[in-house]
Amino acid sequence: SQQGEEDPQALSIQEGENATMNCSYKTSINNLQWYRQNSGRGLVHLILIRSNEREKHSGRLRVTLDTSKKSSSLLITASRAADTASYFCATDEGGNNRLAFGKGNQVVVIP
Amino acid sequence: EAGVVQSPRYKIIEKKQPVAFWCNPISGHNTLYWYLQNLGQGPELLIRYENEEAVDDSQLPKDRFSAERLKGVDSTLKIQPAELGDSAVYLCASSARTSGAGNEQFFGPGTRLTVL
Repeated sequence: SQQGEEDPQALSIQEGENATMNCSYKTSINNLQWYRQNSGRGLVHLILIRSNEREKHSGRLRVTLDTSKKSSSLLITASRAADTASYFCATDEGGNNRLAFGKGNQVVVIP
Repeated sequence: EAGVVQSPRYKIIEKKQPVAFWCNPISGHNTLYWYLQNLGQGPELLIRYENEEAVDDSQLPKDRFSAERLKGVDSTLKIQPAELGDSAVYLCASSARTSGAGNEQFFGPGTRLTVL
């Protein structure tokens, strides 16, 4: 079963705009990861945030984690056409050391 | 540094035929994973290896699926016989440390299987 559920499922934005997507999960976690998947480069790790962290940055990416609400958000600032992809959150499904992926957000950045 | 290598990239077979997928992980990565990804869904773990030992195969349909990683490096995933519902992308990933869900995983390009 997949734990992470991303919201919204599909997003279309203009180049230069920011894109925000959310992920919710159901059980306690040790960490949450975000991955990007496009046809050119496959599935690529973006960022990992641990349960004792609230915010993390990596380049144009900003990830937040709210363990009380069991949710995370991924913000892409100043989007580029190359950011067009599906974005997945993945959590360590409680106790069995297994990474559980959500269904993904499709993001289209229009040049 | 070479990434995770998978072959073939595409495979079309008729139902009831066998099929095999091959994966070469990143050099030095002891942990290897096989995932299945259906269209519009996230990857789902089939099996995880620590070196040559399958430490998590609870989601592998063992009646028709098998996997091996004999020397703790390359791995092969086999389906015999294939069914229509097996059409999906099969992803291989590897990571440097033994914590399956606690570290970055590096994915290969996947094998897209179509069963007719």
